[in-house]
Amino acid sequence: DTGVSQNPRHKITKRGQNVTFRCDPISEHNRLYWYRQTLGQGPEFLTYFQNEAQLEKSRLLSDRFSAERPKGSFSTLEIQRTEQGDSAMYLCASTSPSRGANYGYTFGSGTRLTVV
Amino acid sequence: AQSVTQPDIHITVSEGASLELRCNYSYGATPYLFWYVQSPGQGLQLLLKYFSGDTLVQGIKGFEAEFKRSQSSFNLRKPSVHWSDAAEYFCAVGAPGGGNKLTFGTGTQLKVEL
Repeated sequence: DTGVSQNPRHKITKRGQNVTFRCDPISEHNRLYWYRQTLGQGPEFLTYFQNEAQLEKSRLLSDRFSAERPKGSFSTLEIQRTEQGDSAMYLCASTSPSRGANYGYTFGSGTRLTVV
Repeated sequence: AQSVTQPDIHITVSEGASLELRCNYSYGATPYLFWYVQSPGQGLQLLLKYFSGDTLVQGIKGFEAEFKRSQSSFNLRKPSVHWSDAAEYFCAVGAPGGGNKLTFGTGTQLKVEL
């Protein structure tokens, strides 16, 4: 169990640029989640995948945001035309429901995005 | 839709003192309940979880939590706090069958005085 890996750890970008984050979940986990956390707040759900299928998207996920998990392994989250309001920590988590309902998430360390 | 309230934004305790962090949830049935801890600049680590059965659950690092249906609460406790417990603590609720999607509270920042 190597944990959930997120890259990059930090990203500073200029307003209007596109950014892409990567998440590598625990290998046997078939569910992968993206959350966003702004300063002083708890994480907010963005989207999740079961294998390669994106099963739910939050209304927080505007059309500038897109997430993929092409082979059911790693996932990418892209933000187009970044805005200052996109500055946040983007957290990825994975889990395996097949292990039973009482198996919690494992979170990655997150990608801190700063839009200047 | 479910929601979580953590009424205490900041709590300061002395090392060795007992700790209780409050969490109230709103959900129509019995939810899945979680406590996570987050150190600065890090992801979240699961402390403990409740799904069903015994309403007093034990977690890692000496933490425990009690589910009280009548009060819609899931408070986190520790008998004796260590300086390394200083962090931010999040309560979360999940809907059974809801794809394991979680709704988090706004967190409680714990400071430990030596």
